[in-house]
Amino acid sequence: AQSVTQLDSQVPVFEEAPVELRCNYSSSVSVYLFWYVQYPNQGLQLLLKYLSGSTLVKGINGFEAEFNKSQTSFHLRKPSVHISDTAEYFCAVTGFQKLVFGTGTRLLVSP
Amino acid sequence: DVKVTQSSRYLVKRTGEKVFLECVQDMDHENMFWYRQDPGLGLRLIYFSYDVKMKEKGDIPEGYSVSREKKERFSLILESASTNQTSMYLCASSLLGQGAASPLHFGNGTRLTVT
Repeated sequence: AQSVTQLDSQVPVFEEAPVELRCNYSSSVSVYLFWYVQYPNQGLQLLLKYLSGSTLVKGINGFEAEFNKSQTSFHLRKPSVHISDTAEYFCAVTGFQKLVFGTGTRLLVSP
Repeated sequence: DVKVTQSSRYLVKRTGEKVFLECVQDMDHENMFWYRQDPGLGLRLIYFSYDVKMKEKGDIPEGYSVSREKKERFSLILESASTNQTSMYLCASSLLGQGAASPLHFGNGTRLTVT
């Protein structure tokens, strides 16, 4: 079975600062990894995904994530955040069965 | 773009009522899912379906049932609503052909309050 840990429930940052949202997973098999974003009063939408190949994955809105197999991590980064990035971010993992979501990290960007 | 539409944005029901949450997708996706989202718990899978009239239990199916009579429509049913079912309910769909790599497309959610 797979599991996902997002240690930070909330990350406050100032506009234009860099940000890293942490995600660690556990799995006994190879995995696919995803980051989803949920803007206020909306459903989730796909930010980026890692299936295979290059460990650095680029997504929408300037976000990227790096798959680190030895550390079982898939941290999400953005070099300079905007107010509009304020949202909840979910990491998810699947090992060819159902998708397992983390508990989410709320990114709060202030001016 | 895939559109997943949930019929109600907000719903208030009384304890013991039978509640229907409706979801429709317009991109011919085989897979459909119902999740509930609660603060600090993330998303938990209630039921999913990979074909018409097929259904599989997720992690928290107790107190819920589902119906999939047509490919585009997946309904979640609360047989007898209870206060602990107050939550945000999210419907999602995905393509079967891509397997586990297929991303989920979500509706905007239904916030259900049971009083």
